[in-house]
Amino acid sequence: GESVGLHLPTLSVQEGDNSIINCAYSNSASDYFIWYKQESGKGPQFIIDIRSNMDKRQGQRVTVLLNKTVKHLSLQIAATQPGDSAVYFCAEIPDGTSYGKLTFGQGTILTVHP
Amino acid sequence: DVKVTQSSRYLVKRTGEKVFLECVQDMDHENMFWYRQDPGLGLRLIYFSYDVKMKEKGDIPEGYSVSREKKERFSLILESASTNQTSMYLCASMGQGDGYTFGSGTRLTVV
Repeated sequence: GESVGLHLPTLSVQEGDNSIINCAYSNSASDYFIWYKQESGKGPQFIIDIRSNMDKRQGQRVTVLLNKTVKHLSLQIAATQPGDSAVYFCAEIPDGTSYGKLTFGQGTILTVHP
Repeated sequence: DVKVTQSSRYLVKRTGEKVFLECVQDMDHENMFWYRQDPGLGLRLIYFSYDVKMKEKGDIPEGYSVSREKKERFSLILESASTNQTSMYLCASMGQGDGYTFGSGTRLTVV
């Protein structure tokens, strides 16, 4: 079946370091990818998205890279701060008549140490 | 900003009760979704709706039903709550050009 997964379930970094969170997906027809951040007790918050016709997209302190050849997605966070500590999910919306259904990865726990 | 509002943050219900979880969005979005989130299982889609009075089963619809009488409101119904439905429930909506937005979640405990 189609799935979206993460290579590393946990990631610990020092404040100020750059963080890289990885995600593999299996549906080569996927059209749209989203990264979410979820803090304890809250719903997922949109961070950044990318469409399949792009390789890279930058936001404020975050960059998403998409490698369609190996079906890999990554989220880079520059100068990581303690407030970045959260669970990070990648998600995909397959192309076609999916009505926007998301398929989520399991999540990576990012811990930022002061 | 798109707002997706879930009526309750925490709920405690008894086994066998009928439970209603309400979700309202204020951006005229066509698509609305209900997910549940459990440790080790991630987010799983229960039901979704792409228009008023339209509904489609997601990956785990058993034990649930939904109602979409108005475009802005999507209700999740547990016909007879069971302890294995204790979970965090997340509503989301999606519209053209607006992306995908989640509510803050309802943590339901069935005792």
